[in-house]
Amino acid sequence: GDSVTQMEGPVTLSEEAFLTINCTYTATGYPSLFWYVQYPGEGLQLLLKATKADDKGSNKGFEATYRKETTSFHLEKGSVQVSDSAVYFCALVPSGGGNKLTFGTGTQLKVEL
Amino acid sequence: DVKVTQSSRYLVKRTGEKVFLECVQDMDHENMFWYRQDPGLGLRLIYFSYDVKMKEKGDIPEGYSVSREKKERFSLILESASTNQTSMYLCASSEDGSYGYTFGSGTRLTVV
Repeated sequence: GDSVTQMEGPVTLSEEAFLTINCTYTATGYPSLFWYVQYPGEGLQLLLKATKADDKGSNKGFEATYRKETTSFHLEKGSVQVSDSAVYFCALVPSGGGNKLTFGTGTQLKVEL
Repeated sequence: DVKVTQSSRYLVKRTGEKVFLECVQDMDHENMFWYRQDPGLGLRLIYFSYDVKMKEKGDIPEGYSVSREKKERFSLILESASTNQTSMYLCASSEDGSYGYTFGSGTRLTVV
């Protein structure tokens, strides 16, 4: 079945450092790919998405590119802030529609001054 | 903006109690979902619903049931709460999965 694998955390960075959180997936065809963010004590919020190969999703300085050849959707940000501290989830919806999101286990990011 | 509202942020219940978790969405979405979130396990789908009175089991339905009598409301029921059901419960809705989900703020349930 479909699955999503994320790098384990926590990831601890200094403010203004470069961020990469790795995400790879297993699915047939061309799933839609998502990154969600969960701030402490809150639900999940959609951060960005990409629906076809080579698409780049972007939002709030975060970016991720849909790489079909490596089945990856790595999250990047050029300069993190303390306010980016949260848990980040990679997720997919199967190609051909469908409504069930499959999530990775989440990666906690801690940004320190 | 779509809003998904979960009726309680925190709940404490006793073992054996019947527990109702309520979720309401305001954008006429067809699809609604219940997940539980546990450290190290990520999000696991309990039940989902594509339409009023329709429900389907997710990956971990045991010990849970759901009710969807109106399009905007999706209830999760713990028939007889147990300590291993202590968790964060997240409700979500979507018009179409490829657009992503909108989540509620979550209910942290503790069963003692």
